[in-house]
Amino acid sequence: SQQGEEDPQALSIQEGENATMNCSYKTSINNLQWYRQNSGRGLVHLILIRSNEREKHSGRLRVTLDTSKKSSSLLITASRAADTASYFCATDGVQGAQKLVFGQGTRLTINP
Amino acid sequence: EPEVTQTPSHQVTQMGQEVILRCVPISNHLYFYWYRQILGQKVEFLVSFYNNEISEKSEIFDDQFSVERPDGSNFTLKIRSTKLEDSAMYFCASRGDLLGTRAFFGQGTRLTVV
Repeated sequence: SQQGEEDPQALSIQEGENATMNCSYKTSINNLQWYRQNSGRGLVHLILIRSNEREKHSGRLRVTLDTSKKSSSLLITASRAADTASYFCATDGVQGAQKLVFGQGTRLTINP
Repeated sequence: EPEVTQTPSHQVTQMGQEVILRCVPISNHLYFYWYRQILGQKVEFLVSFYNNEISEKSEIFDDQFSVERPDGSNFTLKIRSTKLEDSAMYFCASRGDLLGTRAFFGQGTRLTVV
């Protein structure tokens, strides 16, 4: 399967610090997407990085993609309490109807 | 930003009953999906739908489940004879094409089977 897996499963840091979450996957992808989910709520799309891209920025977010290692990282700089949420990577395959395959997620807690 | 709308936001049903979860995808999108997330777990793919037919389904999507796009705007997931383990958040998603575009997700329907 193309399943993405995140690490760490849980991360707790102080407000203002940077948070880094990693994602690994197994098969070729078209792109990789990161989502945020507040507890019990919907999925918020954060950023999409295509397989031919290596790095992408959006505000305080920085995503990297290493297709040779089949891995991606999400960096949140200058974290805020409002960043507390679960973060999921989702891989988009190269065949078929391109279902997204989600990882287990990283539960990020920002302590004030 | 365009939105995918799901109704209801929360549904409680008795075991054995049938439920229909409704979604209004973004109007010019062509690909539609249902995903499920059991509490505390990851989001799992159920089914994809294109050109008025199922294009792919997961092992979870057995004969208990069906999808329909009855009127060109709504996209529904029917769960027959619900079981306790069907309790989960169900997300609908749509996308316009497959060329590196993002999927748009609805806010989800929380289904509780009692």
